[in-house]
Amino acid sequence: EAGVAQSPRYKIIEKRQSVAFWCNPISGHATLYWYQQILGQGPKLLIQFQNNGVVDDSQLPKDRFSAERLKGVDSTLKIQPAKLEDSAVYLCASSYTGGQTEAFFGQGTRLTVV
Amino acid sequence: GENVEQHPSTLSVQEGDSAVIKCTYSDSASNYFPWYKQELGKRPQLIIDIRSNVGEKKDQRIAVTLNKTAKHFSLHITETQPEDSAVYFCAASKEMDSSYKLIFGSGTRLLVRP
Repeated sequence: EAGVAQSPRYKIIEKRQSVAFWCNPISGHATLYWYQQILGQGPKLLIQFQNNGVVDDSQLPKDRFSAERLKGVDSTLKIQPAKLEDSAVYLCASSYTGGQTEAFFGQGTRLTVV
Repeated sequence: GENVEQHPSTLSVQEGDSAVIKCTYSDSASNYFPWYKQELGKRPQLIIDIRSNVGEKKDQRIAVTLNKTAKHFSLHITETQPEDSAVYFCAASKEMDSSYKLIFGSGTRLLVRP
């Protein structure tokens, strides 16, 4: 089966600019996660969708981050405006029934804010 | 909310020795505990998982144990090989609003010396 697709793979932007990441989960997976992984740390959950509804976004900095999952399939994560501390790898993952089954990760988008 | 602590942050072993990584979780409602391996520059991939109704699970050289009373679980790798060198993440999951939130530990960098 096809894996989780993410784009772009790399992005370099200046602080205060905006950026968007795209994720296409595995077909049939109802749960979609966005994680932020800062170098040397574990993935930090930013937002979790169940179909097109938000299950948890308690760790999402809502003053600058936003995410949507149109029609319960693809998802986009946006940062506006970006800060230096947003430099990280943004990982998208999907699973069939949420955290009780394997979460498959995409390759991630490495964001560098300069 | 759920918090997952992981130790040690780095672990160096001689090839052929065993490696043990330990995690503790805070929410007693958590009932699914996967372990992910992340090689340098690659996506995290599931290597083994355990559910709360089981105390131990093995898969060849890898085993996971769970102590629900103490709220901790451990990954055991026997007969380590250089290709086991990677960062390992534990995670804990519990049901929330008909979905399951997946929270990761901070990771353990394992180095297997030839």
